[in-house]
Amino acid sequence: AQSVTQLDSHVSVSEGTPVLLRCNYSSSYSPSLFWYVQHPNKGLQLLLKYTSAATLVKGINGFEAEFKKSETSFHLTKPSAHMSDAAEYFCVVSERNQAGTALIFGKGTTLSVSS
Amino acid sequence: ETGVTQTPRHLVMGMTNKKSLKCEQHLGHNAMYWYKQSAKKPLELMFVYSLEERVENNSVPSRFSPECPNSSHLFLHLHTLQPEDSALYLCASSPLVWAGNEQFFGPGTRLTVL
Repeated sequence: AQSVTQLDSHVSVSEGTPVLLRCNYSSSYSPSLFWYVQHPNKGLQLLLKYTSAATLVKGINGFEAEFKKSETSFHLTKPSAHMSDAAEYFCVVSERNQAGTALIFGKGTTLSVSS
Repeated sequence: ETGVTQTPRHLVMGMTNKKSLKCEQHLGHNAMYWYKQSAKKPLELMFVYSLEERVENNSVPSRFSPECPNSSHLFLHLHTLQPEDSALYLCASSPLVWAGNEQFFGPGTRLTVL
């Protein structure tokens, strides 16, 4: 079965510095991978997704992630953090099952941005 | 906004009450989902509907009863809940039930069971 591990439960950065949120996955086949963001009292919003096309995926708000099969990683990065980036981030892998599909969520990483 | 709405946004209920959560999607999608988000735990998939037919039920207690009258609406009927059922309940939709599809989430209903 597929699984996803977010290596940091909390990341703190200063505004204007780079952001790195780490994610490792396990999958028995070529997976689809996603990053979602959740701002306080809001639902989840898709940042970006990988579905076996280009390994470097660009998303919204300046975020990008690189799929590295050899490392089974899909880390999320942003060159320069903004205060509005403070939120909960979820790494997600898709899983095929009898129903067709399910999304397997990581436990989340809380990103704090200080001025 | 994602095109998925949920009502109510907040709900407080006693253990003997019966209430329902509503989800509506305006995206023309064919698949809809209920998730439970508890503090410090990953999102838990509860139910999956494809073209109004339930295709997944992840061992959810019978005190949670879903209903999908059409492809745009999804309900979660609640009765005799327990305090540990307090959580954020998220609804999502996707074009199809397929591994590569992203899901679009509503803002959630914050449920508190007293």
